[in-house]
Amino acid sequence: DQQVKQNSPSLSVQEGRISILNCDYTNSMFDYFLWYKKYPAEGPTFLISISSIKDKNEDGRFTVFLNKSAKHLSLHIVPSQPGDSAVYFCAASEAEFGNEKLTFGTGTRLTIIP
Amino acid sequence: DVKVTQSSRYLVKRTGEKVFLECVQDMDHENMFWYRQDPGLGLRLIYFSYDVKMKEKGDIPEGYSVSREKKERFSLILESASTNQTSMYLCASRSGGRGGTGELFFGEGSRLTVL
Repeated sequence: DQQVKQNSPSLSVQEGRISILNCDYTNSMFDYFLWYKKYPAEGPTFLISISSIKDKNEDGRFTVFLNKSAKHLSLHIVPSQPGDSAVYFCAASEAEFGNEKLTFGTGTRLTIIP
Repeated sequence: DVKVTQSSRYLVKRTGEKVFLECVQDMDHENMFWYRQDPGLGLRLIYFSYDVKMKEKGDIPEGYSVSREKKERFSLILESASTNQTSMYLCASRSGGRGGTGELFFGEGSRLTVL
């Protein structure tokens, strides 16, 4: 049972435009969410996080939005750059477990077209 | 910079062999983790450790064991490798104790093929 779902396996966006990556979750106990980025042949790297007390967190070109009632979060990248081409994983955990028990989505491969 | 180093980038083993995957971190992190990544399944937690000689099962511990004799080193052991353990294995570490939400730092991964 996939508790964190990324329904789009891939996404292509023109350079300079906005990239929107989506993530849905089913476990209402999740209250901490993260996005990781992974290049081929490298380990994932942390991108941005959000706790359930917020509905938005921004870091430079990256913004994560959380809609708790819909159990949905999204990552916005503006403007998209070629170096953003990677696989993006969303992840979630319950506060009680911190991120020992991170549940990851299946990933979305983002391709930025120059 | 935090560095998490996995000893082998690529391994090919035969069914039934014992396999050791080694991971070393250089930032004195208390917590260390082993994940596997498979297409269509994302990253799944196998085991984690929050202190030396301490370990806890993740979501898919069957067929695996771990060892943490020193703070900087966390080993994943496949006692008898099987073809369904062919995967990319990722080690990660994090500072802080249990229940923390600090950033996970990942190694580059070890791609294991079991024939």
